Amino acid sequence: GAVVSQHPSWVICKSGTSVKIECRSLDFQATTMFWYRQFPKQSLMLMATSNEGSKATYEQGVEKDKFLINHASLTLSTLTVTSAHPEDSSFYICSARNSARSVTKNIQYFGAGTRLSVL
Amino acid sequence: GQNIDQPTEMTATEGAIVQINCTYQTSGFNGLFWYQQHAGEAPTFLSYNVLDGLEEKGRFSSFLSRSKGYSYLLLKELQMKDSASYLCAVNNQGGKLIFGQGTELSVKP
Repeated sequence: GAVVSQHPSWVICKSGTSVKIECRSLDFQATTMFWYRQFPKQSLMLMATSNEGSKATYEQGVEKDKFLINHASLTLSTLTVTSAHPEDSSFYICSARNSARSVTKNIQYFGAGTRLSVL
Repeated sequence: GQNIDQPTEMTATEGAIVQINCTYQTSGFNGLFWYQQHAGEAPTFLSYNVLDGLEEKGRFSSFLSRSKGYSYLLLKELQMKDSASYLCAVNNQGGKLIFGQGTELSVKP
């Protein structure tokens, strides 16, 4: 099956610090990965699309300098929350598509999520 | 605009059948997904419909009518572990998943 690993699963940090979250596709290559944010009792909101070897595409209202995305290889994308503040506390989830499979190429497989708490 | 509607919450009894509806209006259509999400966890893939009709996979089935902008997820022989949020999501022309707000299903004994 398609497995996406996300690390860390839970992080607490002080206000003003930066936090890096990793998203890896373990058994497939993913030219495209996605980063979502989810607040309690709400659905997933797409933050940005991460493209291997090129700049990420950010959704309207998402600060690219605040949420740095790097997709340096076909199996790894990272999201860095810079100078985190309490309002950045949320559940961050990544997903990846299996680029090589034409039949299921549109299916996004999700990582386990990262719960960020900024004090 | 883009809009995906599904009921906020539903309750059903263990062993019964429940149908969760989803209607959508999006900029382009490239498939509809259903995901299951337990509290505090990431969504897990349940089904994918790109053509009209019914897709069956074990206890779960998903139906799509593109002309009506309508889908449903059917869960049979409900189990307590099926209590979760069920997310309807449409893949639009840009290749992005647009999620509905999710339906919180509670299965009672």
